[in-house]
Amino acid sequence: NAGVTQTPKFQVLKTGQSMTLQCAQDMNHEYMSWYRQDPGMGLRLIHYSVGAGITDQGEVPNGYNVSRSTTEDFPLRLLSAAPSQTSVYFCASTEGGTGRTEAFFGQGTRLTVV
Amino acid sequence: DAKTTQPTSMDCAEGRAANLPCNHSTISGNEYVYWYRQIHSQGPQYIIHGLKNNETNEMASLIITEDRKSSTLILPHATLRDTAVYYCIVRVGRGTNFGNEKLTFGTGTRLTIIP
Repeated sequence: NAGVTQTPKFQVLKTGQSMTLQCAQDMNHEYMSWYRQDPGMGLRLIHYSVGAGITDQGEVPNGYNVSRSTTEDFPLRLLSAAPSQTSVYFCASTEGGTGRTEAFFGQGTRLTVV
Repeated sequence: DAKTTQPTSMDCAEGRAANLPCNHSTISGNEYVYWYRQIHSQGPQYIIHGLKNNETNEMASLIITEDRKSSTLILPHATLRDTAVYYCIVRVGRGTNFGNEKLTFGTGTRLTIIP
């Protein structure tokens, strides 16, 4: 199993540009989520999804959009990149229902906005 | 989610047991203690979790005090590969919706294994 795969691993954007961070999981997990991690800090939840077609906001959702059209994929869209969005982004997935409750994380996308 | 308090950093000699403490004095009755670690800014990795009984798996042991206000993660024979930031998180185990299951990360404990 590949687990949780994030692409790209690195990205540099200019202020105002838009882009989509990709996240895919092959474990048939219901729950998926996006976190960001700023230097020296813990991870903060941006958006999450409890199943295809269902998304909700986390702690820091402003400036980001998500959609969940399939169980496997959960892309994160930056609408108009700002330097404050320079961060490392992590995608995670978790089983739903009565399954295991631990989260599996991808290896991260390092985003720099100049 | 209950707030947790962890030491900022710790050192441990290679081959010795690493004992990482966590205080969670405001934990609720339905909240579990979860431990994750993050190596070299990779994605966090799940280690172990528990409610009130001590737990052990292939990676570590988790000791939770009887009043559940604190816990200790034990890596029995630390290796250089265990150098990482360790996060103690409290949250419901399986709530009615994922909003109750989200992980709230603090700044964790930076554990350095000394050769």
